[in-house]
Amino acid sequence: GAGVSQSPSNKVTEKGKDVELRCDPISGHTALYWYRQRLGQGLEFLIYFQGNSAPDKSGLPSDRFSAERTGESVSTLTIQRTQQEDSAVYLCASSLGGSGGNEQFFGPGTRLTVL
Amino acid sequence: GQNIDQPTEMTATEGAIVQINCTYQTSGFNGLFWYQQHAGEAPTFLSYNVLDGLEEKGRFSSFLSRSKGYSYLLLKELQMKDSASYLCAVRDRLVSGAGSYQLTFGKGTKLSVIP
Repeated sequence: GAGVSQSPSNKVTEKGKDVELRCDPISGHTALYWYRQRLGQGLEFLIYFQGNSAPDKSGLPSDRFSAERTGESVSTLTIQRTQQEDSAVYLCASSLGGSGGNEQFFGPGTRLTVL
Repeated sequence: GQNIDQPTEMTATEGAIVQINCTYQTSGFNGLFWYQQHAGEAPTFLSYNVLDGLEEKGRFSSFLSRSKGYSYLLLKELQMKDSASYLCAVRDRLVSGAGSYQLTFGKGTKLSVIP
């Protein structure tokens, strides 16, 4: 496809379970971002990958959150031992690079609900 | 720290002009973005400013004053479909290791266009 894709689109899980969210960036985009958006709130930066450089994990809210990216392709965001406060839409974005006027293209998001 | 302020909500009439302001206080500045986000959808890119002045793109214009830490998004000839949230984002701090910069988003301004 031409755009950023994410799966699943919706995920309902029980408190304490682990979840894995997937992002397929636009082909050729070296930069990939994960954001969290709680209901009625702005985007909260989680993690940033740029090529083969060390990722910027400064936005991850706790050690229950982790993310991986294989080269310049797919990324997975894993949340362990989910809590109700983790309920949000998780958005992935990619761009040609991390600097300049390179706009970020967003995926449709994964809506996570923790019961 | 990073601080980006936008009005929470605005209402305007179809066919009118509306200006959405954004003020920022960040540890660095390397460009300012505006994104549009319709309810339940991913954000989409509207504009990018890195130098002072006005950037015009059709019905939308964006202005930047770096010395004042201020930007606005101007929407002309408002249409009902312009009802959405408008997100201001600043590319601020250098991401060490990744050799690039990170975006910090404001909480967004929810614009309602009424007949």
